[in-house]
Amino acid sequence: QSALTQPPSVSGSPGQSVTISCTGTSSDVGSYNRVSWYQQPPGTAPKLMIYDVNSRPSGVPDRFSGSESGNTASLTISGLQPEDEADYYCSSPTTSATWVFGGGTRVTVL
Amino acid sequence: QVQLVESGGGVVQPGGSLRISCAASGFSLTHHGMHWVRQAPGKGLEWVAIIWHDGTNEYYADSVEGRFTISRDTSKKMVFLQMNSLRAEDTAMYYCARQIDAGAFDIWGRGTMVTVSS
Repeated sequence: QSALTQPPSVSGSPGQSVTISCTGTSSDVGSYNRVSWYQQPPGTAPKLMIYDVNSRPSGVPDRFSGSESGNTASLTISGLQPEDEADYYCSSPTTSATWVFGGGTRVTVL
Repeated sequence: QVQLVESGGGVVQPGGSLRISCAASGFSLTHHGMHWVRQAPGKGLEWVAIIWHDGTNEYYADSVEGRFTISRDTSKKMVFLQMNSLRAEDTAMYYCARQIDAGAFDIWGRGTMVTVSS
């Protein structure tokens, strides 16, 4: 049950786009189109932002989008806003009927 | 209103036991898999356990297998995590989360803090 691999940090200026990668294996990311993404500002519970690779729950701004290719999924934030500053985590079910999270990425708005 | 509220956290000595709870409202536990996810101070999220929507199966992270047990009471709309043989590395905020069909976690509680220390 190794964690999915994410970059520790990414940054961008307001209005720019940033992309966070999430690399797994054929036993998790590569087996299902079920990667989800969570936003977690400091001191708060995680919030679902993307599910099924590229679907957004009601209320999530459309500047958040997801994609996947092989064993790697990506989250893109287009038109970065100050309120987007937070930690972001990817997650995937695995072929062992367990789940795995990425190590997390801190997004900083410059 | 759909929500989850955790309780029962606290300070426990290494080797001790603790049971934490998650109260669900606004939905039926028989329609959703329920999970526990933890976060050590300053660290990332770690998946801990799942109980299936029909209660027939449970799965655990390797780090807690054999020590933790997830269960539920559908009539009381409660989910539990019994934690035995606790270690310092189990110190974390423990979140309860609801699974949707996609395998994602759409509702999270605010968490309950468990500290393992002598």
